[in-house]
Amino acid sequence: KAGVTQTPRYLIKTRGQQVTLSCSPISGHRSVSWYQQTPGQGLQFLFEYFSETQRNKGNFPGRFSGRQFSNSRSEMNVSTLELGDSALYLCASSLEGVNTGELFFGEGSRLTVL
Amino acid sequence: KQEVTQIPAALSVPEGENLVLNCSFTDSAIYNLQWFRQDPGKGLTSLLLIQSSQREQTSGRLNASLDKSSGRSTLYIAASQPGDSATYLCAVRGQVDNAGNMLTFGGGTRLMVKP
Repeated sequence: KAGVTQTPRYLIKTRGQQVTLSCSPISGHRSVSWYQQTPGQGLQFLFEYFSETQRNKGNFPGRFSGRQFSNSRSEMNVSTLELGDSALYLCASSLEGVNTGELFFGEGSRLTVL
Repeated sequence: KQEVTQIPAALSVPEGENLVLNCSFTDSAIYNLQWFRQDPGKGLTSLLLIQSSQREQTSGRLNASLDKSSGRSTLYIAASQPGDSATYLCAVRGQVDNAGNMLTFGGGTRLMVKP
């Protein structure tokens, strides 16, 4: 059974550009959540999608957005990139839409903003 | 607002030692607590999930305990091996209606096991 797949794994952008990251959850998982990991702030919650609806959103500016498709695949977009957006972006999926499920993470997409 | 703290931030032990990693959280109203392992440059690997109604979970050489009332969890690693070297993260899911799968993470404990 394939795990959570994130693409691309590495990417380099310049300030002002935008980026789209993709996440394919484990088959059958309907909840997808996104996290940002930086050396200074650690792991921070971005947003969660369940059945194509955003259920929760973390404390990030509106430049960070996401969506989920009917097959549960999710994308996140960051517009007008800033140097501080350089981070490892991690996607996690969960079998259930309730609060007791175990989260499984992908390998992440490492974004470098120059 | 939930805050999760992990102590120590870094730990170096000789191979074969039993060790304990600590995790504390400020709000005891949680649904569950999950321990993860992260190797450098990699994603998170789930180690153990403890539901709020449970006191401990075991998997191989790993044992995690949960004391909700005191806001503490410990991860016990028996007979440590060099392959256990990684960063260990604990994360809690709050007990609110719309908590969904939003986890609050601790800062992690970077473990090095020396041969």
